[in-house]
Order: sequence, then structure tokens, then C-alpha cells
Amino acid sequence: KQEVTQIPAALSVPEGENLVLNCSFTDSAIYNLQWFRQDPGKGLTSLLLIQSSQREQTSGRLNASLDKSSGRSTLYIAASQPGDSATYLCAVTYRREGGSEKLVFGKGTKLTVNP
Amino acid sequence: GAVVSQHPSRVICKSGTSVKIECRSLDFQATTMFWYRQFPKKSLMLMATSNEGSKATYEQGVEKDKFLINHASLTLSTLTVTSAHPEDSSFYICSASPRPDGNQPQHFGDGTRLSIL
Repeated sequence: KQEVTQIPAALSVPEGENLVLNCSFTDSAIYNLQWFRQDPGKGLTSLLLIQSSQREQTSGRLNASLDKSSGRSTLYIAASQPGDSATYLCAVTYRREGGSEKLVFGKGTKLTVNP
Repeated sequence: GAVVSQHPSRVICKSGTSVKIECRSLDFQATTMFWYRQFPKKSLMLMATSNEGSKATYEQGVEKDKFLINHASLTLSTLTVTSAHPEDSSFYICSASPRPDGNQPQHFGDGTRLSIL
């Protein structure tokens, strides 16, 4: 059974600080890994998608890495801003018997960036 | 970019009421849509996979007769919570992918907050 764990559960940092969010998964047979942002009471916004054959993806101040063999991913946020405050979710996609795909999510890391 | 619209955003109703939630892909066709449920401080949990023109596939532990899913067109899937009770109160989110093959990200709606009194 695929399980996704995110550490820490919550993080509070001063504005401008660089930070790292961690994600681990138990089954390395994944198609891809995604990082999402969720604002309170809202849906999910996809930030970065890393295919299983890739090692990292970058978008602006965000960089996500993937080490499939060890079942780990990190999301690096550079020069954090108060607007980055949100819950960050990690999810892996894998294919089940029968061909359907399934996303399995971690519980998220709640980030607060203080001005 | 791909947009998924979910309606309504919030529902408050009495116990015993049936509630319908709509999920629409606005600018792409989605042969497959997904329905998730999110409890406070818990992971999003996949409830069911909705396939256009066929029966939905439900995850283990999800009652088919409680959560009715209809995917009548390539742009619309609906989730009906039948005879809702307070324990059904939760945040429900749908998603869709232009090509559900693991190589395209799923695009998520903004969610529906369901509160049963």
C-alpha cells in the first residue's frame, strides 16, 4: 500500500528565508510526483510535476527534486514571501492493476511566512 | 491552461437531504474525473474514479449507494451525496485530466464545503 509522508507538519519562518519541505513515499513504482499548494478552504494548485525519469523541476523560486530509489522528494522555496503561506501537498501517481491511475497524497505541510 | 469548475462552493443543509455537486472541465475534454474527500488535518482521499459513459470505480470503503457518481459527458461529472448525515460533512474536491495516463497533471476544482446540520 502506497503511503506518503510529509515532514514537517507545520513550519513558520521569517520572510526572506530559504526553506525545504520533505516528502517520502513507500513504493518507488510511481509515474510521477507532484507538489501542490492549497489555500484555506480552496482547491489545489499544481506547482511542479516531476516524471519518474526526472530528478528535478524548477519554476521561479521553487525547485523540486525526486530520488525515486530512496522514495524521497524535496520542495525548495527560495526567498520566501508572506504570499507563500499555504499548505503544501505532495502526491505520487501510480498505476494499479487494471490500468487506472491513482494519486496518493501526504497530509501536507502548513507553511507560514511572517513579514 | 486547463480549468476545472466545481459548483457549489459551499452547501449547508439539513440531515436527510440529498446534495449534488458538479464538476466541469471548461476548456478540455475529460474522459476521466476523480472525486476526493478531505477531512481536517488529513490527506485527500480518493473516493472514486468517474469514467465517461460507464460506471464509476469506487475505492474500498466508499459506499456506492451513498455517493452516486454520474459522468454523462466529456466535460461534466456529478457527485450526489444521498440522504446526507452530519458524518458526511467534509470538503469534497474533484479533478480531471486531459489524458489520464500519469503524464499529465490532474487539474483540481476549488472544492465544495458540505455541512450537514
